[in-house]
Amino acid sequence: GAVVSQHPSRVICKSGTSVKIECRSLDFQATTMFWYRQFPKKSLMLMATSNEGSKATYEQGVEKDKFLINHASLTLSTLTVTSAHPEDSSFYICSALGRLAGGPGDTQYFGPGTRLTVL
Amino acid sequence: QQQVKQSPQSLIVQKGGISIINCAYENTAFDYFPWYQQFPGKGPALLIAIRPDVSEKKEGRFTISFNKSAKQFSLHIMDSQPGDSATYFCAASKGFLVGSQGNLIFGKGTKLSVKP
Repeated sequence: GAVVSQHPSRVICKSGTSVKIECRSLDFQATTMFWYRQFPKKSLMLMATSNEGSKATYEQGVEKDKFLINHASLTLSTLTVTSAHPEDSSFYICSALGRLAGGPGDTQYFGPGTRLTVL
Repeated sequence: QQQVKQSPQSLIVQKGGISIINCAYENTAFDYFPWYQQFPGKGPALLIAIRPDVSEKKEGRFTISFNKSAKQFSLHIMDSQPGDSATYFCAASKGFLVGSQGNLIFGKGTKLSVKP
């Protein structure tokens, strides 16, 4: 079964509003979570690395004031797209770095993704 | 500069055939090489992964071949099935062997279509 969940799976919002996406690790604690963005038929682009209890590290070109990341607990990280615009429409995917009981070494487990459409 | 180069961009294989996807990397500090399978509208799912101290790893119909000197690794899908039709991404990261794995660097993906 899924080890990382994302909510919501789809969201449609009006331009100028803010949208929060949740990422949860279900079977393990994740001190590190990653947020990716994926455009149609393209690869995953890392947006930021989120460490529990500290500020996220953003990749070059990613606006930290626009994409707010909070990693408040070992099982939850949130991405808030502030003042969303149509160009922010994309598929957002989180991953959590951790180890399942009896599993191999630390592995990134990906969430199912959130499709954001900004009208 | 693209750190992980993946080819081909798309691949069409007949049912029962072998699908081969190749990746090359540049950073010799990479020590973890996973392959992910992604279906449309879904997140990537880990398929198989290899460490640089191993030259080959097999799990069911999926095999990774790793050539450290050439800095290349490939995914072989034996007896390809229509259900294997998906986009496949190779990736690399560093720090795995010391328990502090960093972020994954992804290839651009290969869209595989297996014809019945």
